[in-house]
Amino acid sequence: GQQVMQIPQYQHVQEGEDFTTYCNSSTTLSNIQWYKQRPGGHPVFLIQLVKSGEVKKQKRLTFQFGEAKKNSSLHITATQTTDVGTYFCAGRKDDKIIFGKGTRLHILP
Amino acid sequence: DGGITQSPKYLFRKEGQNVTLSCEQNLNHDAMYWYRQDPGQGLRLIYYSQIVNDFQKGDIAEGYSVSREKKESFPLTVTSAQKNPTAFYLCASSRSRGPGQPQHFGDGTRLSIL
Repeated sequence: GQQVMQIPQYQHVQEGEDFTTYCNSSTTLSNIQWYKQRPGGHPVFLIQLVKSGEVKKQKRLTFQFGEAKKNSSLHITATQTTDVGTYFCAGRKDDKIIFGKGTRLHILP
Repeated sequence: DGGITQSPKYLFRKEGQNVTLSCEQNLNHDAMYWYRQDPGQGLRLIYYSQIVNDFQKGDIAEGYSVSREKKESFPLTVTSAQKNPTAFYLCASSRSRGPGQPQHFGDGTRLSIL
């Protein structure tokens, strides 16, 4: 079936280091959304990418959608302790929304 | 403040028992969803509803049932047929199920077996 693969599953970084999580789909997506879930919390919508090759920034976060609309990435520059949590991508194909399994980010002080 | 309210926060089920998880939204959203979250598994769709009195099965609907009698409410029943119900259940809503609609999530219900 359709899948959205997300890597890595876990990432430990020193505070101040950069972090990147990647999503890959076997099929072309209509759009991709990114969510953040803090420990013990619920997913919160961050952003949506629609166009091929689109790049969007939110402060230290940079989101990219691949040219073929099959992959996406989230890059955090100079991580802070407030960045801790699990980052999920959710790809849309036709009428289905498929969540990746998430990347859990842990910040080492 | 508009939002999604899930209750209870924690729920325990005995063997052979049905339990119902509540989800209410005051965002005036048409679409509502139920997800199950297990460690390392991400979010898996159980059921969704695009409009009142209509709902569709998601990827893991077996052992679950829903109703959508009111726009604001989308309760989920975990039946005794669901043999492994221990999980974190998340309800979400969006303005519609059309493309480009972000989902707003409730705080979740954590269900455990006694």
